[in-house]
Amino acid sequence: GESVGLHLPTLSVQEGDNSIINCAYSNSASDYFIWYKQESGKGPQFIIDIRSNMDKRQGQRVTVLLNKTVKHLSLQIAATQPGDSAVYFCAENMQGGSEKLVFGKGTKLTVNP
Amino acid sequence: DAMVIQNPRYQVTQFGKPVTLSCSQTLNHNVMYWYQQKSSQAPKLLFHYYDKDFNNEADTPDNFQSRRPNTSFCFLDIRSPGLGDAAMYLCATRRGRASETQYFGPGTRLLVL
Repeated sequence: GESVGLHLPTLSVQEGDNSIINCAYSNSASDYFIWYKQESGKGPQFIIDIRSNMDKRQGQRVTVLLNKTVKHLSLQIAATQPGDSAVYFCAENMQGGSEKLVFGKGTKLTVNP
Repeated sequence: DAMVIQNPRYQVTQFGKPVTLSCSQTLNHNVMYWYQQKSSQAPKLLFHYYDKDFNNEADTPDNFQSRRPNTSFCFLDIRSPGLGDAAMYLCATRRGRASETQYFGPGTRLLVL
């Protein structure tokens, strides 16, 4: 069935290091992907998105990479800060105008000072 | 400025006592979603509205109902809350059918006593 999964449920990094959060998806028909950041007690916050006709997209301190060959998505955070500590979810949208997102399980990122 | 607003942020109810959670949006988006999120899990879609068209997920219990009286507002009604319904309830919106970002509200934390 369709699913979006994360390889690592937790990730701990030192402040200033780069972080990489990975996500595997199983639905080759997905055409749009989003990364969300969720801090404790808050709703998911949009970070960055990418469409299937791209393989890389950059934002402020964040980069998303999409490898459709192996159905893999990653989020790179440069110079990780304590404020980046949160749970990160990837989500995919199926091609064809589906109104639903399929969420991955989430990775908890902890940034140590 | 808040774009997706949820009230209240915290709700306490008694076992079996009906409760209503509310969501409003200032984005004029066509689609509104309700998710349930339990601790350390990804958001789980309950249902969504595309304009006035209601779309229920197959595994959403009948205990959960929704109303959307106009574009801006959407309500989640839990007719007889059980202890297992204690969770964070997230509202999200999206502009239209094409692959677009969903924007989440801050959530309402429901406690069932």
